[in-house]
Amino acid sequence: DTGVSQNPRHKITKRGQNVTFRCDPISEHNRLYWYRQTLGQGPEFLTYFQNEAQLEKSRLLSDRFSAERPKGSFSTLEIQRTEQGDSAMYLCASSWEGLQETQYFGPGTRLLVL
Amino acid sequence: GQNIDQPTEMTATEGAIVQINCTYQTSGFNGLFWYQQHAGEAPTFLSYNVLDGLEEKGRFSSFLSRSKGYSYLLLKELQMKDSASYLCAVRDGKAGTALIFGKGTTLSVSS
Repeated sequence: DTGVSQNPRHKITKRGQNVTFRCDPISEHNRLYWYRQTLGQGPEFLTYFQNEAQLEKSRLLSDRFSAERPKGSFSTLEIQRTEQGDSAMYLCASSWEGLQETQYFGPGTRLLVL
Repeated sequence: GQNIDQPTEMTATEGAIVQINCTYQTSGFNGLFWYQQHAGEAPTFLSYNVLDGLEEKGRFSSFLSRSKGYSYLLLKELQMKDSASYLCAVRDGKAGTALIFGKGTTLSVSS
């Protein structure tokens, strides 16, 4: 069990550019979540997948954000036309659905938009 | 609305016991979680409560009272490495399976 992995770990981009992040969940987990965390705040939910289906999206997820999990394994989160307000840590978590479902987090991708 | 409150900062000394409180108001309830997060790192799962009472795991214990919308995380025999942010999170259930997090409590342990 290698845990949840995320790439890249850090990304610096200029305003208006597009960025894409990848998350590889724990292999047997069927649920995958994306959260965003800014300094001094707890993580905020963005979206979640069960297998390849995107089942929930937060109102935080504007039209510039899109997420996919095409084969029910890894997931990508793309931000188009980045804005300075998008600067944050983007966290991915995975879990196995069940009564005591527990989400395990990856190391995150820290995005800085200049 | 949904709201989770926890103190912003706490300080303690090595070897001591500290209790971090969390109160919540959510439309539903399907479990409360505590995570530890060191600066610049991912949250690490500590404990899960869904029924009232105390769950003990080594130096860490977590308590839940659903009627009061209240939980606490108890850390015993504090060590310097326990200096971190402690996040309280609730799974609303009615609003989906995502976790709703508090802002976190930054604990500083000194020698």
